[in-house]
This record gives sequence, structure tokens and C-alpha cells, in this order.
Amino acid sequence: EDKVVQSPLSLVVHEGDTVTLNCSYEVTNFRSLLWYKQEKKAPTFLFMLTSSGIEKKSGRLSSILDKKELFSILNITATQTGDSAIYLCAVDNQGGKLIFGQGTELSVKP
Amino acid sequence: DTAVSQTPKYLVTQMGNDKSIKCEQNLGHDTMYWYKQDSKKFLKIMFSYNNKELIINETVPNRFSPKSPDKAHLNLHINSLELGDSAVYFCASSLYPGSYGYTFGSGTRLTVV
Repeated sequence: EDKVVQSPLSLVVHEGDTVTLNCSYEVTNFRSLLWYKQEKKAPTFLFMLTSSGIEKKSGRLSSILDKKELFSILNITATQTGDSAIYLCAVDNQGGKLIFGQGTELSVKP
Repeated sequence: DTAVSQTPKYLVTQMGNDKSIKCEQNLGHDTMYWYKQDSKKFLKIMFSYNNKELIINETVPNRFSPKSPDKAHLNLHINSLELGDSAVYFCASSLYPGSYGYTFGSGTRLTVV
């Protein structure tokens, strides 16, 4: 069965720290991997990754995919309290749906 | 505003009742989904419709019945509610099935007492 596993499940850091969130996957027909940020309500899209080794960057957030080792990381530098959220990793397995990991709950303390 | 909108945002009801959650998208997407997020924040697919046709039904109890009157709407009706149905239910849409990420609605927090 296709699955997505994220680690750590939760993380507490202080403002200014750099964090790395991990996502590993086992899927039969990989098409893409996506990262979402969920604050109080709906998950919002961060990145979509389809090719290995190409870093996607948006401000202090960046992500990269390794299709050989079947994982992705999401980096956040110089964290701020507004980065506190659940970060969700999902994989499109070409089965008409996204398969989500269990999320990493990040808490950034002032 | 272009969006996926769900109603109601909160729903508190007693065991055994029947309730519905509505979802509408004005993004012109062909595919809509219902996901359930449990207390551990795990998002799991329940149903997917493409152009009003059911394409995914993930072993959800038949007390849950989705209905898609047109491709912009996907409603979820739940019969005989149980305590374990308490969760946040998210509607989402995408251009094609599973494609290029979803746009999510803001969720409906269902509490069964």
C-alpha cells in the first residue's frame, strides 16, 4: 500500500532557528510530491516537486526531492512565530488522489 | 473571490442524527474531493468525483453518501452519526484527478456528542 511518512511529528524551536522537516514515501507510480502549510484552517500550497535535485525556494522556505532515496525535505531558515503550523507532505501516485503524511506540527516560540 | 467554500464551519450534533455538509467551488475545476482529518491531523481521502462521476470511494461506511449535482458542487450526507465521526472534514478541488495539488475549503469541524 502506498504511504507517506513524515518526521518529526512535532517540533518546538525558537525564533531565528533553522528547521528541517522530513518526508519519505513509498508509492508505485510517483508523479509529484507536494508540501502544504496548515494553520488554523485549510491547508495552503507551498511547493510541488517532480524532479530530483532541483531546489524550490520561496523566501525563507525551500524544498528538495530525492527520487532515488524516496524522500523530500522542507527547510525553513530564520523561523518566525508566524511559521507555527502543521506542515503536510503529500504524494500524487497517479491514482486520482493525493496521499498525505501525518504532518509535522511546528511551534516557533518568541 | 475564487475559492472552495464549505458550510457549515462548525456542526455539533447528537449520535444517531443525520447531517449534511455542502461544498462549492468556482475555480472551474473538474474534480472534487472529501477528506477527513482526524484528531492526529492525518488527512485521509474519502471520496472523489470527476465531472459529477464518482471515481474514488475509499472504504468509507455507507452511512456516508456524497452527492454531486454538478461539477461545481459536492455535498456530503452522513446518516446515523457516531462518536467516531467527529473530525474535521475538508472539501477540495483540482483541475484534474489528483493533479498538481488541491485547493482546499476551510473545513467543517463536526462534533458528535
